[in-house]
Amino acid sequence: DADVTQTPRNRITKTGKRIMLECSQTKGHDRMYWYRQDPGLGLRLIYYSFDVKDINKGEISDGYSVSRQAQAKFSLSLESAIPNQTALYFCATSDFDSYNEQFFGPGTRLTVL
Amino acid sequence: ELKVEQNPLFLSMQEGKNYTIYCNYSTTSDRLYWYRQDPGKSLESLFVLLSNGAVKQEGRLMASLDTKARLSTLHITAAVHDLSATYFCAVHLLGYKYIFGTGTRLKVLA
Repeated sequence: DADVTQTPRNRITKTGKRIMLECSQTKGHDRMYWYRQDPGLGLRLIYYSFDVKDINKGEISDGYSVSRQAQAKFSLSLESAIPNQTALYFCATSDFDSYNEQFFGPGTRLTVL
Repeated sequence: ELKVEQNPLFLSMQEGKNYTIYCNYSTTSDRLYWYRQDPGKSLESLFVLLSNGAVKQEGRLMASLDTKARLSTLHITAAVHDLSATYFCAVHLLGYKYIFGTGTRLKVLA
């Protein structure tokens, strides 16, 4: 089984809808991250969390919210989706003991019509 | 403004040739990471460079870090088709955030 999983893998939704992307990990890492990837822009950090009680905004947090339900689960929500949130979303984990090398989930391709 | 710039953005090279991808960044950082992404896939960690002068090698890929020049390189030796992918560098910042470069899309031609 994969160490970092994301659900759903693909999602098509309409403008104004609320949507949640979920991430789970079995690596036992404390740190979890949400990124979005757009062509030509690389990966941009949306939110990150160092433990259940610690949530931090990244570069592009506007329009997004997160919830760290447990050490192993980190969810990303779009309260009211808009077309320019169409992107590939990645969850990642890291751990101090492994020099904060990040391990990525398979990604969620989100399309907002 | 913090920038992480990779060049070239696109690289088409013949099998057997050597080439270097450059990653320049505009702020102080103590470590740098290289990742590989195949089309439609996730990112795979290649190298973790932890200090000035660090050099890591794996197969035909070698990465180095010069923190004084704020430069990392990814050198490809005798390229093969299987190396075709997009390569990203990522700079580690205080507070355990990461800033990614825009990526270098490598295509190795037979």
